[in-house]
Amino acid sequence: SQKIEQNSEALNIQEGKTATLTCNYTNYSPAYLQWYRQDPGRGPVFLLLIRENEKEKRKERLKVTFDTTLKQSLFHITASQPADSATYLCALEAIFGTALIFGKGTTLSVSS
Amino acid sequence: EAGVAQSPRYKIIEKRQSVAFWCNPISGHATLYWYQQILGQGPKLLIQFQNNGVVDDSQLPKDRFSAERLKGVDSTLKIQPAKLEDSAVYLCASSRTSAHQPYEQYFGPGTRLTVT
Repeated sequence: SQKIEQNSEALNIQEGKTATLTCNYTNYSPAYLQWYRQDPGRGPVFLLLIRENEKEKRKERLKVTFDTTLKQSLFHITASQPADSATYLCALEAIFGTALIFGKGTTLSVSS
Repeated sequence: EAGVAQSPRYKIIEKRQSVAFWCNPISGHATLYWYQQILGQGPKLLIQFQNNGVVDDSQLPKDRFSAERLKGVDSTLKIQPAKLEDSAVYLCASSRTSAHQPYEQYFGPGTRLTVT
C-alpha cells in the first residue's frame, strides 16, 4: 500500500540545537516533495519544495534533503528557537497535477 | 495579497443536521481544494477543483458531502446529514496551476466542526 510516514509524532529539543524531522514514503515515485508548517488553530503554511533532481534545498535556517533511492526526505532547522515550535507536515503528489497527500506531521517543541 | 478566506471559523451541530462551509481563494488561483483534517492527522483531500470543474472527488463521501465552485471563484462544501465522525477541521486551499511545474498551496484558517 502507499504510505507517507513521519517517524516521530513529537520531537523535543533545546533552543540553539538542530532539529531533524524525517519523512519516509513507500510505493510512490514523486517528482517533488513539499514541507509545511502548521500552528494550532491555523492552516498549514508552505515552507519548502524540493524536486527529485535536487539533493538539497535551503532557505534561511531551513534545509531539506530528498533521497529518491531511500524514499526519504529530511527537514532540518538549525539554531532552533522557541518560535519554531509547531507541527511540520511533509506532502507529495502521487501523480503530478493531483492534490497533495500529507503525512501525519511531527510536532516540534523547542524549549529555552 | 489577501489570503484564503473561510467561514465560519467554528460550527457545532447535532448529528443528522446539515452544515455548509464557504471559501474564497486567492485571486487568480485556478485550483481550489477542500481538505478534512482530523485531530492528530494530516489533511486529507475531499475534492479538487480547477476553475469550476472537478478534478478529483474520489475521497468525497458523496452520499452526504457535496461541493460546488460557482464561476470558478468561491466554493461551498456541504454536509447533509452530518455524522459524529465528521467532526474535524475543514481546510480550503488554493494554488496557481501549470502543466509544467508544481506550485505551493495556500491554506485558509479552516472551519472547526463539532458534531454532537
